[in-house]
Amino acid sequence: KQEVTQIPAALSVPEGENLVLNCSFTDSAIYNLQWFRQDPGKGLTSLLLIQSSQREQTSGRLNASLDKSSGRSTLYIAASQPGDSATYLCAVDTGNQFYFGTGTSLTVIP
Amino acid sequence: DGGITQSPKYLFRKEGQNVTLSCEQNLNHDAMYWYRQDPGQGLRLIYYSQIVNDFQKGDIAEGYSVSREKKESFPLTVTSAQKNPTAFYLCASSIDSQVIYEQYFGPGTRLTVT
Repeated sequence: KQEVTQIPAALSVPEGENLVLNCSFTDSAIYNLQWFRQDPGKGLTSLLLIQSSQREQTSGRLNASLDKSSGRSTLYIAASQPGDSATYLCAVDTGNQFYFGTGTSLTVIP
Repeated sequence: DGGITQSPKYLFRKEGQNVTLSCEQNLNHDAMYWYRQDPGQGLRLIYYSQIVNDFQKGDIAEGYSVSREKKESFPLTVTSAQKNPTAFYLCASSIDSQVIYEQYFGPGTRLTVT
């Protein structure tokens, strides 16, 4: 069974810093990997989707990379802002199911 | 506006009662999913459906039931057999594609059973 781990569980950074969130998965046979943002008490908002054949995807200040062979993905956030404070989750698609990590809770301090 | 709606946002029930959570999408997606989210845990799959009139159990289906009579709707019933039903429930959908299964989520329903 696929297991997805996100480290660290919580991260606090001053505004303006660049930061990296990590996601690792145990089975490299995935179709794609998706990063989400979740605000307290809300649903998930899709940030980036990386297909299994891709190495990275970029959207604005966000850059996600994927290394299938090592079972790792990173989400890079440039020039962090207080509005980036949220929980970030990664999910891997094995074909029929998505498996989610437990998330990284990010706080950006003004 | 296209999207996924879940209702109600908050739901309170007494122990022993069945309760049905609504999920509707107008994205014309074939696949729909129900997840449960508990503090400190990742999302766990309850049920999913890839086509009308068909659905599959996820990792934690015990105590739950679903139906998929219409493409747009995938209601979840939390039965009295579910031992710990208090949680945040999230519905999602995705285009049934052979290559890409990007998921879109609804706003969630927080169920409290006392």
